[in-house]
Amino acid sequence: AQSVTQLGSHVSVSEGALVLLRCNYSSSVPPYLFWYVQYPNQGLQLLLKYTSAATLVKGINGFEAEFKKSETSFHLTKPSAHMSDAAEYFCAVSGLNDYKLSFGAGTTVTVRA
Amino acid sequence: GAGVSQSPSNKVTEKGKDVELRCDPISGHTALYWYRQSLGQGLEFLIYFQGNSAPDKSGLPSDRFSAERTGGSVSTLTIQRTQQEDSAVYLCASSLRALNVDSPLHFGNGTRLTVT
Repeated sequence: AQSVTQLGSHVSVSEGALVLLRCNYSSSVPPYLFWYVQYPNQGLQLLLKYTSAATLVKGINGFEAEFKKSETSFHLTKPSAHMSDAAEYFCAVSGLNDYKLSFGAGTTVTVRA
Repeated sequence: GAGVSQSPSNKVTEKGKDVELRCDPISGHTALYWYRQSLGQGLEFLIYFQGNSAPDKSGLPSDRFSAERTGGSVSTLTIQRTQQEDSAVYLCASSLRALNVDSPLHFGNGTRLTVT
């Protein structure tokens, strides 16, 4: 079964600083990979998805993620954090023929003024 | 159109009572999922509906949990004889087709269930 591991349950960054959220997947074949964001009292919103067309994926709100097969990683980054980026972020994986997403435990981001 | 709608947004119930949680998916979406989000944990898959196919119930934690989807649209998740460990946020999601990279999941805002 596909699975992902998110390193770090909490990340605190200063406004304007780099945001880096780590995600490693376990899969013997290229999977579908996603990052979702959850703002307080809301559902999950898709940030970006890996399509295999490009290893560097750009998403909404200035986020991007890089697929590295050699490292089985799909880390999420944003060059300059904004206060509105405070939320919980989930990495998720699905096999090519699966219809279920497996989610990581999530990383809560706080942004310091 | 409108997004995935869930009701109620909050539900407080006494231990032992039955509860029903409702999900209205995006119109035209054939796939519907229920996930559970417990405090400090990730999302746990519960059940999946796709068109007229038999649902995948492999994630339901016990026989107290059941779900149905009427007319390929609205879905109801029922928890019988609720227990305190059932307290969680229950999230519904839909997608245009079975999940793939071109048909990602769209989530509702969830129902926060508290069992006292």
